[in-house]
Formats: sequence, structure tokens, C-alpha cells
Amino acid sequence: QQPVQSPQAVILREGEDAVINCSSSKALYSVHWYRQKHGEAPVFLMILLKGGEQKGHEKISASFNEKKQQSSLYLTASQLSYSGTYFCGTEDSYGGSQGNLIFGKGTKLSVKP
Amino acid sequence: DGGITQSPKYLFRKEGQNVTLSCEQNLNHDAMYWYRQDPGQGLRLIYYSQIVNDFQKGDIAEGYSVSREKKESFPLTVTSAQKNPTAFYLCASSIGTNKNYGYTFGSGTRLTVV
Repeated sequence: QQPVQSPQAVILREGEDAVINCSSSKALYSVHWYRQKHGEAPVFLMILLKGGEQKGHEKISASFNEKKQQSSLYLTASQLSYSGTYFCGTEDSYGGSQGNLIFGKGTKLSVKP
Repeated sequence: DGGITQSPKYLFRKEGQNVTLSCEQNLNHDAMYWYRQDPGQGLRLIYYSQIVNDFQKGDIAEGYSVSREKKESFPLTVTSAQKNPTAFYLCASSIGTNKNYGYTFGSGTRLTVV
């Protein structure tokens, strides 16, 4: 039931773009995205609800393809502060996870000067 | 400022001991959660509570116990029955069953068995 994130890790130079994918085998009601810096708490970035919406947060945006049961996080013109591990959390449409979020294993993003 | 406070930040436990991790929130959130984080494994749900005096098991509840006597507090006890307790523990809260809002996480407790 755990969503699958890809890639597992990515290294960027400042200013480069990246895409992180989150795929589920279940029909989804919502997808959350969080960023966690080493040893710190995950920080909420955005939530996408079924309906195929796309959301933006500064230079970080995301899409949710309900039919494909997947979400993608887009990081544009990356900055050093974008470094961290990105997690997606999914909620099943049919209550399979009791309405709670199931998190992927994370994608480690490193932005170099 | 509103937020979630977890204490202690670091905790060392001897084999066979029970330890309790504290989680307090002043966000007036109804729902609270405990997650365990191991390297490369993501966050796994231990217990959750949607309302005071009620809580439910998550995916990996064995060897753990919780209580929810107050809205603000959701302590987690790691019992001696938990065979591999060394991990990073995160407490989170959300406004309620409405998942249109994100989770707020505490800064975590790193538990090590010595």
C-alpha cells in the first residue's frame, strides 16, 4: 500500500529543475507533499485533492493525475534551500488506510552550488 | 507561536525498560499521530487519535501504547515488548478528519537502545 517514489535520490546544481514522482496501486483521494531536512520535522508543502488539480508554492508545484494514481512534484530553478528529503503521503479513496496518510520512502534531493 | 513540542530530543533506553515520549500541541487540533522513521523507510504509522479518549492502532502498533486524556497531549510509551525500538519518532497533528489540511509535525525524538 505504500506509495512508490522515484527517483530515490537526485543531485542538482543551483538553477536546475527536478521532478519527483509518487505512484500508488490504490485509487487516491488526496496526495500530500512534505520536505524534511536532516534531523528535523517534515514540513508541509501542499495537498492535492482528486480532480486532477495542479498547485503551486513559490517555484515548487505539483500535479495529481487521479486516473494514473500518481502525483508529481516539480522543483524549478532549484535553490540550495531546496535540499532535503521529499515525502509524498497518500490517502486512499475508499478508506483503505482508515483515512490516514501512508508515506512513501522519500526522495533525497541535494542541490549543489 | 502555535506548534507541537516533543520531548526529549534524545532518549536512551536500556533493554527491558519502558520509556515514554512526550507530545504536546497548542494548535487546537483534534487529530494526533505517532510515526516511526527508520533510514530509507519513510514514515510508518504507529497510533493515531481523532478525538480525546479514543485512539486506534496504525500499521506497526505492536510494542507501543498511547493515551489521549487531553486534547493537547498524546504521549507514546515504547514498551519492552518492542524488539527494535531504536528509531526517530515523530508526532504530528491535523485539524481533524478533514484531510484538506496538512499535518504539522514536531521536531522528533531520537530513541536509542543501549
